[in-house]
Amino acid sequence: DIQMTQSPSSLSASVGDRVTITCQASQDITNYLNWYQQKPGKAPKLLIYDASSLDTGVPSRFSGSGSRTDFTFTISSLQPEDIATYYCQQSGNLPYTFGQGTKLEIK
Amino acid sequence: QVQLQQWGAGLLKPSETLSLTCAVDGGSFNGYSWSWIRQPPGKGLEWIGERNHSGFSNYNPSLKSRVTISVDTSKKLFSLNLNSVTAADTAVYYCARTPPWEQQLASWGQGTLVTVSS
Repeated sequence: DIQMTQSPSSLSASVGDRVTITCQASQDITNYLNWYQQKPGKAPKLLIYDASSLDTGVPSRFSGSGSRTDFTFTISSLQPEDIATYYCQQSGNLPYTFGQGTKLEIK
Repeated sequence: QVQLQQWGAGLLKPSETLSLTCAVDGGSFNGYSWSWIRQPPGKGLEWIGERNHSGFSNYNPSLKSRVTISVDTSKKLFSLNLNSVTAADTAVYYCARTPPWEQQLASWGQGTLVTVSS
């Protein structure tokens, strides 16, 4: 199985800050990397797919980049409603696997 | 906008079979891939398996011997069966849909908490 190493595991930032989360795959997954947002008690929501494509209706402050084994997720200006746990997921090789998550809190 | 509505028994005893169903409301069914994912309380996400757009099933090797994902195209339903459950299978279970020729889990059900306890 491909291991997805996500960091940091938790993050505290202020409203308006730029926030960056990284995800590293144990093998080359080309660009088959997705990012999800999960709020407490809710299902995950797709934000970014294929490493850098913004899903429909997702605010433009969210972005993703990277390829092969190293990927980055960025919130350009943190908003209060962005408080959630964020997960990366590789969909390049079966079984599909997730990172362990990054819990984002407001400072 | 598609909605996935899921249901199933929430409390099981060890050795019983977990059965969950997901209904697709307001969207197309053919050509999509249908997946199940689970999340133990307070933990991360684990992909269980999928029925892909070609009609083939792919399962997580860690669960493969106990899992079956089935699809009823005429009723726009897909289901998860997991047999011989133990306490380790206690989790919120989610259904999800992947668009044709794509790879991401684009739409999710609301989740069902399944607790395994004697």
